[in-house]
Amino acid sequence: EIVLTQSPGTLPLSPGERAILSCRASQSISSYLAWYQQKPGQAPRLLFYGASSRATGIPDRFSGSGSGTDFTLTISRLEPEDFAVYYCQQYGSSPTFGQGTKVGFK
Amino acid sequence: QVQLVQSGAEVKKPGASVKVSCKASGYTFTSYGISWVRQAPGQGLEWMGWISAYNGNTNYAQKLQGRVTMTTDTSTNTAYVELRSLRSDDTAVFYCARGNKYNSAWYDYWGQGTLVTVSS
Repeated sequence: EIVLTQSPGTLPLSPGERAILSCRASQSISSYLAWYQQKPGQAPRLLFYGASSRATGIPDRFSGSGSGTDFTLTISRLEPEDFAVYYCQQYGSSPTFGQGTKVGFK
Repeated sequence: QVQLVQSGAEVKKPGASVKVSCKASGYTFTSYGISWVRQAPGQGLEWMGWISAYNGNTNYAQKLQGRVTMTTDTSTNTAYVELRSLRSDDTAVFYCARGNKYNSAWYDYWGQGTLVTVSS
């Protein structure tokens, strides 16, 4: 099973700041990585697939990058609605999710 | 618009089975697959498996092999997941999500979630 490790576990920030979230795979997954945002009581929302392809309706302050084993989700300037938990997911083999990074208010 | 509407909350006793449904609308059902993902209270996301609505192929998470079955009914555009021999650690919100018809891939639309509680 491919293990995804997300860091940090919690990221305390203020609106307007930049958020940088990391996802590391235990073996190479090429670009078979997706990112999701989840708010309390809601289903996850797709942000990116193929590591860097933005899903429909996702603002361009969000960007995804990386390949192989190291991936990054960047939010250039946090808006209040961006405070949430973010998960990465690999689909190179039997899918797995990372444990999540919570972007919270400082 | 694409919608996935799931069945309501369930409460089951240990050892019982549960079957959750996911009715799709707004797209051609057989052009995609459906994955099931669960989330225990306060925890992260766990992939349960995938079924192609195109050809019925399935791929289940290894830890659930032998306890889980995923099916589709193309006459009603509905996907189902059945989990047997329920344990307390199966308590979770079950989500269905639309994916690729050939393999699991990523998920662009999700159901609203179904809470399954296992308690004696």
